[in-house]
Amino acid sequence: GAVVSQHPSRVICKSGTSVKIECRSLDFQATTMFWYRQFPKQSLMLMATSNEGSKATYEQGVEKDKFLINHASLTLSTLTVTSAHPEDSSFYICSASPSRDRETLHFGNGTRLTVT
Amino acid sequence: AQSVTQPDIHITVSEGASLELRCNYSYGATPYLFWYVQSPGQGLQLLLKYFSGDTLVQGIKGFEAEFKRSQSSFNLRKPSVHWSDAAEYFCAVGPGGGNKLTFGTGTQLKVEL
Repeated sequence: GAVVSQHPSRVICKSGTSVKIECRSLDFQATTMFWYRQFPKQSLMLMATSNEGSKATYEQGVEKDKFLINHASLTLSTLTVTSAHPEDSSFYICSASPSRDRETLHFGNGTRLTVT
Repeated sequence: AQSVTQPDIHITVSEGASLELRCNYSYGATPYLFWYVQSPGQGLQLLLKYFSGDTLVQGIKGFEAEFKRSQSSFNLRKPSVHWSDAAEYFCAVGPGGGNKLTFGTGTQLKVEL
């Protein structure tokens, strides 16, 4: 149980375009989801907290207009990278915790974004 | 502010040998501690977690970790490493309640056959 699905697993886009990444909790409801970014051979850095039905909370230094987060339902959060640039190329991972085990975060398999 | 230190960036062990990955944390209250493993290009899989109670916790794949409050440590161990254990290992700390975690920088484990 507690499966988090992320789509797509890989995406290549041209500079200036926008890319949407989906994060779904498959067998539980998640009022809160977290979006992380991971640079090559580095740790995970929290970008934002996605809250169902309200605005996301962004970490310091993360541009909210660049990384749009929508959490429209209890099982789906989306991250849209707008006007992508090569420096946005990274590995993006979402996570969530089920109410039956709120102490533990479960992670999706991540999305590798490459901006050319 | 909470922080996690994994002092070993890379570790190489022979298959069948024992393993210990170090993790030190800084946290103002009783921490919730986790170890995750990440294979290349994949997300994170939870190995084990500690919230309270017995300070030696057992996880999946034969891993265990010991919480030592006096040393602010939560080291991960495995008595006999398998080649399939080669991966990146992350220690994390958080306040619990499904809240955000702070991760260490990770330790890359290489297993020699």
